[in-house]
Amino acid sequence: KNEVEQSPQNLTAQEGEFITINCSYSVGISALHWLQQHPGGGIVSLFMLSSGKKKHGRLIATINIQEKHSSLHITASHPRDSAVYICAVRFPGSQGNLIFGKGTKLSVKP
Amino acid sequence: EAGVTQSPTHLIKTRGQQVTLRCSPISGHTSVYWYQQALGLGLQFLLWYDEGEERNRGNFPPRFSGRQFPNYSSELNVNALELEDSALYLCASSLLESLFFGSGTQLSVL
Repeated sequence: KNEVEQSPQNLTAQEGEFITINCSYSVGISALHWLQQHPGGGIVSLFMLSSGKKKHGRLIATINIQEKHSSLHITASHPRDSAVYICAVRFPGSQGNLIFGKGTKLSVKP
Repeated sequence: EAGVTQSPTHLIKTRGQQVTLRCSPISGHTSVYWYQQALGLGLQFLLWYDEGEERNRGNFPPRFSGRQFPNYSSELNVNALELEDSALYLCASSLLESLFFGSGTQLSVL
């Protein structure tokens, strides 16, 4: 049973569109990470959240602890944003043991 | 400043062999995490080392093991390789809650 669900699984957008990727989890967590993986495998950590909202450039991440839900938004999307976006959660008392979602494959067309 | 470095980048082994993967964390990072990304299965937590000690391990058999050296670099050892061990093995180091990933070692078991 996968305790972290992401949607959509695949997403195609036109350059400039506003994009939202969702992540839901089953029980209370101590932290949630959003990761970006480009073709070739390299992973970059975008955000770590335990509450509220964070913004970095065109990327915004929010988390609703009560609803057990997080969203990653990309404003003014660009073809270079094309990648797999992965949500990962850490449950209390399990440092290091991240549970990963299956990822959302984003393709932004020019 | 150098990022997390992993070696080798690619490796081909046959079933039953043993393999050692290496990871050097970012200078000053004492925690090293190992993850497996098998095709179709997504990322899974393998091992967490901190200050030379194994702190946590994921749901993997004992033939997956490792160690962390006094300079905080780490090795992942896999004995008695099986075909399903073919995967991208990623190492990450952390400072506080932020994770920094290496580029991974692609292991193919024939």
